[in-house]
Amino acid sequence: SQTIHQWPATLVQPVGSPLSLECTVEGTSNPNLYWYRQAAGRGLQLLFYSVGIGQISSEVPQNLSASRPQDRQFILSSKKLLLSDSGFYLCAWTQGEDRPQHFGDGTRLSIL
Amino acid sequence: SQQGEEDPQALSIQEGENATMNCSYKTSINNLQWYRQNSGRGLVHLILIRSNEREKHSGRLRVTLDTSKKSSSLLITASRAADTASYFCATVSSGGYQKVTFGTGTKLQVIP
Repeated sequence: SQTIHQWPATLVQPVGSPLSLECTVEGTSNPNLYWYRQAAGRGLQLLFYSVGIGQISSEVPQNLSASRPQDRQFILSSKKLLLSDSGFYLCAWTQGEDRPQHFGDGTRLSIL
Repeated sequence: SQQGEEDPQALSIQEGENATMNCSYKTSINNLQWYRQNSGRGLVHLILIRSNEREKHSGRLRVTLDTSKKSSSLLITASRAADTASYFCATVSSGGYQKVTFGTGTKLQVIP
């Protein structure tokens, strides 16, 4: 069966520090991968999606970047965090846009 | 801006009652999906309805889709306290890259 792992679950970082969030998928190959951010009590904002290794598309200009070094690994990064980067970050995968998305448990990021 | 807009934003009902949530969208879609999110967790897929379908059932869930009105509804029958969660619709646009866009969600509280 397919599983998705996302870590860490909680992270507190100072302003200006770097960030690396990792997401891995098991039990499937060549998934479409997504990073979302969810502000408190709000919907999901798509940040990045990837349809293959090294293929990253960004939905909104921002302080973040994403990379896909391996087929089932998706990394969200920042060189210098801003206060506005706080939020709940969710990774998801799907085998196609006509298929359901499967989400990780999320990382709650607080910037101090 | 979010393609899908859920209505109402919040809903509080007694256990055993039915809960209806609505979703409106703006552009042509390939399919529409409903997800559930427990507080602080990732999203869980509930139902996917394709643009050529009008109604779909899964257990106590019933989803309708009216493409002429660009709207969908999710009905949860005989609600339970465990149904307390936020519910999101997600639209997958038709043509070219099938972009997935999440709505702002309906927060459902089922009172035992």
